Amino acid sequence: DTGVSQDPRHKITKRGQNVTFRCDPISEHNRLYWYRQTLGQGPEFLTYFQNEAQLEKSRLLSDRFSAERPKGSFSTLEIQRTEQGDSAMYLCASSQVGNTEAFFGQGTRLTVV
Amino acid sequence: AQSVSQHNHHVILSEAASLELGCNYSYGGTVNLFWYVQYPGQHLQLLLKYFSGDPLVKGIKGFEAEFIKSKFSFNLRKPSVQWSDTAEYFCAVNAYNNNDMRFGAGTRLTVKP
Repeated sequence: DTGVSQDPRHKITKRGQNVTFRCDPISEHNRLYWYRQTLGQGPEFLTYFQNEAQLEKSRLLSDRFSAERPKGSFSTLEIQRTEQGDSAMYLCASSQVGNTEAFFGQGTRLTVV
Repeated sequence: AQSVSQHNHHVILSEAASLELGCNYSYGGTVNLFWYVQYPGQHLQLLLKYFSGDPLVKGIKGFEAEFIKSKFSFNLRKPSVQWSDTAEYFCAVNAYNNNDMRFGAGTRLTVKP
C-alpha cells in the first residue's frame, strides 16, 4: 500500500497520560498535515510541515501538543497530559508542492478515559 | 480566515434520485475548492477539486460541482445516486497559497435501495 499510513489505528489512554501517534506520508510528498476530527464535525487543521520545517500551527494546537518531522519523512504527534476533550480522530494527510490536493490516512482514533 | 458551511447535515434519498449538496465559503480572495468523500470505515478521498478555469468541475463516480464566485458557493451534484454513494461528504477550501485547508461539518448521505 503506497498511501498515507497512520499508527496506531486506535488508542485508549487514561487521562493524564502521554500518547504519540505516527504518520508515514506518501513517499514523494514533501508536505504533511495533521487534522483533528470530532464526531459530527469536519476535520480541523492542526499543523503543517514542508519537509522537516513546521510552517503553520493552529491555535487549536495547545502547548500540550507537539509535532515533529525530523527527517522530512514520517511525522509524530505527541499529546502530553491527555484530557477527555482530546478524544477524537487524528488524521494525517500529505501532498506535493505545487499541488494542493491532500491524500488522507485512515486516522488514529484516540479515546481518553 | 476562511470558513465553510454545509447546509444539510443528513440527506436521505432513494436510488436514482438527483442529489445536490450545498457548500458556501467565506473568503474574499482566490481560493481552491474541494469535495471529499468518506465511505463507512474508510479514509477521506478526493471527489473533485477546483483551482481555476471552467467553473463546472467533473469528478469521479459521476459527481460534478459548480463554482459560483458571486455566491461564494461550490455545490456538489449527481443526477442519479446509487446505494453505493452512501457516505459522508465534506466540502473544503483553502486560500490560494495557504495550506490551512478548512472543512465544512460534512453532510451524511443515505441512499435507500
